[in-house]
Amino acid sequence: GAGVSQSPRYKVAKRGQDVALRCDPISGHVSLFWYQQALGQGPEFLTYFQNEAQLDKSGLPSDRFFAERPEGSVSTLKIQRTQQEDSAVYLCASSLESGISYEQYFGPGTRLTVT
Amino acid sequence: QQQVKQSPQSLIVQKGGISIINCAYENTAFDYFPWYQQFPGKGPALLIAIRPDVSEKKEGRFTISFNKSAKQFSLHIMDSQPGDSATYFCAASPSVTQGGSEKLVFGKGTKLTVNP
Repeated sequence: GAGVSQSPRYKVAKRGQDVALRCDPISGHVSLFWYQQALGQGPEFLTYFQNEAQLDKSGLPSDRFFAERPEGSVSTLKIQRTQQEDSAVYLCASSLESGISYEQYFGPGTRLTVT
Repeated sequence: QQQVKQSPQSLIVQKGGISIINCAYENTAFDYFPWYQQFPGKGPALLIAIRPDVSEKKEGRFTISFNKSAKQFSLHIMDSQPGDSATYFCAASPSVTQGGSEKLVFGKGTKLTVNP
């Protein structure tokens, strides 16, 4: 497919469990972003990668959140010891180049429900 | 601190009418202003975007108006159709040259309903 893909699309976790969310960006896109979207709200920035380098993680809400993009392509957002307040849609977006094109293309998101 | 303020929260328009959504920002380092459309269960889709060097940009039925001095920008949807019913988000991104990380700061969204 030509777009950003995310898996799983839906995840239900019991409080305290660890989860891993995957993002496959558009092929060749240098920049990758993770956002969190609470119900009825706009997306909020979590973290940003340029290739494999994590250049901005200022939006990660706690040290339970960890993201990686080891080979500069697929990225994984991991949440440890999930809490109810982590329930949200997690969106991944990619952008062709850094510093030149700001057009970010979003995936469908992963809806995380923590019970 | 909400860096991008969007209004109205919801909007109902008749088919064929004009939908207008407004946003205001505080950070003068912002230099890229996109609008996204989101349907339930889907990710945001880029509609149209503008940079501060122009005051207006039109693509089909969608127009962005930008007022740099007032730090405001708006989305106009002409000839609104029921298929336009969705949630619309304005966003802003800081200049990379001023140390920004290209992250988008979103407004809270406007739920648009176009009645047939």
